[in-house]
Amino acid sequence: GENVEQHPSTLSVQEGDSAVIKCTYSDSASNYFPWYKQELGKGPQLIIDIRSNVGEKKDQRIAVTLNKTAKHFSLHITETQPEDSAVYFCAAPTHRSGYSTLTFGKGTMLLVSP
Amino acid sequence: EADIYQTPRYLVIGTGKKITLECSQTMGHDKMYWYQQDPGMELHLIHYSYGVNSTEKGDLSSESTVSRIRTEHFPLTLESARPSHTSQYLCASSRGLNEKLFFGSGTQLSVL
Repeated sequence: GENVEQHPSTLSVQEGDSAVIKCTYSDSASNYFPWYKQELGKGPQLIIDIRSNVGEKKDQRIAVTLNKTAKHFSLHITETQPEDSAVYFCAAPTHRSGYSTLTFGKGTMLLVSP
Repeated sequence: EADIYQTPRYLVIGTGKKITLECSQTMGHDKMYWYQQDPGMELHLIHYSYGVNSTEKGDLSSESTVSRIRTEHFPLTLESARPSHTSQYLCASSRGLNEKLFFGSGTQLSVL
């Protein structure tokens, strides 16, 4: 199955700084890479995703980059704000006999200090 | 936006009790999933379903069982709860493969 590694496990930044979280995956057939944000007491929510036919995708202060050759993808948050504080998960598909499910990285706890 | 509901939100029970965690979605999604989240944050897939009468075990071995008799309902049952079952259980659904997962708010289970 797919193996997803995520770094760092914790990240502390000052408000206004940028934050970068990196993930690697093992299955070269994987073609979908979402990022989820989990706030305290809530379930994870999709914030951005990228498919293998593009190398970068942006949505306001959030961007994701994908390097299929190196099998890694990254989440970039610019101009961080205290409300960005949360746990972030990357994920990649695990292929199962014609179906697939998502395998998540271990998560990154991001703390943005005012 | 998320129309997926889990009950109860918190559950504290004694060892040996049978429990059922409820999960319902009103989006008509065929795909539904149960994830177990440990205190270290990791999300582990324990069960999934691709439609009515379809259930499969996930990557993490679990003593729980699931059923999918109706599209909108995907309950998880523990026949005899133990302290090792203490965890956060998250239900999710999606319209299709490699599509956005919608998560419920989770059930925090504590077995004493």
